[in-house]
Amino acid sequence: KNQVEQSPQSLIILEGKNCTLQCNYTVSPFSNLRWYKQDTGRGPVSLTIMTFSENTKSNGRYTATLDADTKQSSLHITASQLSDSASYICVVSRWGGNTPLVFGKGTRLSVIA
Amino acid sequence: NAGVTQTPKFRILKIGQSMTLQCAQDMNHNYMYWYRQDPGMGLKLIYYSVGAGITDKGEVPNGYNVSRSTTEDFPLRLELAAPSQTSVYFCASSYSKVSSYNEQFFGPGTRLTVL
Repeated sequence: KNQVEQSPQSLIILEGKNCTLQCNYTVSPFSNLRWYKQDTGRGPVSLTIMTFSENTKSNGRYTATLDADTKQSSLHITASQLSDSASYICVVSRWGGNTPLVFGKGTRLSVIA
Repeated sequence: NAGVTQTPKFRILKIGQSMTLQCAQDMNHNYMYWYRQDPGMGLKLIYYSVGAGITDKGEVPNGYNVSRSTTEDFPLRLELAAPSQTSVYFCASSYSKVSSYNEQFFGPGTRLTVL
């Protein structure tokens, strides 16, 4: 079954600290993996997209890693800011089919002062 | 560019009522999608379209209908609202297939409650 599992479900960190969010998937055939940021009451916004050949991709203070062999990805946030408080969603795209994108449930991050 | 726009932002329906959720994009994207997001769950695809005049079912199409008469607009129709359709609905678009590394852009969502 095509699934995307994220951990932890929720996380609270102090402003300025780093954190890492995890994503494990069982989606096949694998095409690409995406991380989205979703602010409360808003639509998801893309942070990174990686294919199987890309191990690391950065977008400012966000760095995503991908291990296609173990089917794991992580999103590392450096020097967190209050504005990083949001849900972070891991999404895996597969080739073909009517539902090419498989969404994780997200990790809810709260950054506090 | 306004990107992907959705109306209304909020709506409360009574059981059995019908309504249309509007979605428009000004990026000249061929692909458009409707998702629903239930609390604590991942987004689920309801319907999608690969171009004007072409639509297809996603994972959870029951109780919904769509049409795509223009490239810009992709309305979602609920014919007989049920409490199970209480959710947040997101419209999205992409230039081409998301399996081909194309970015998907989301609208701000419509929060629907059916009582």
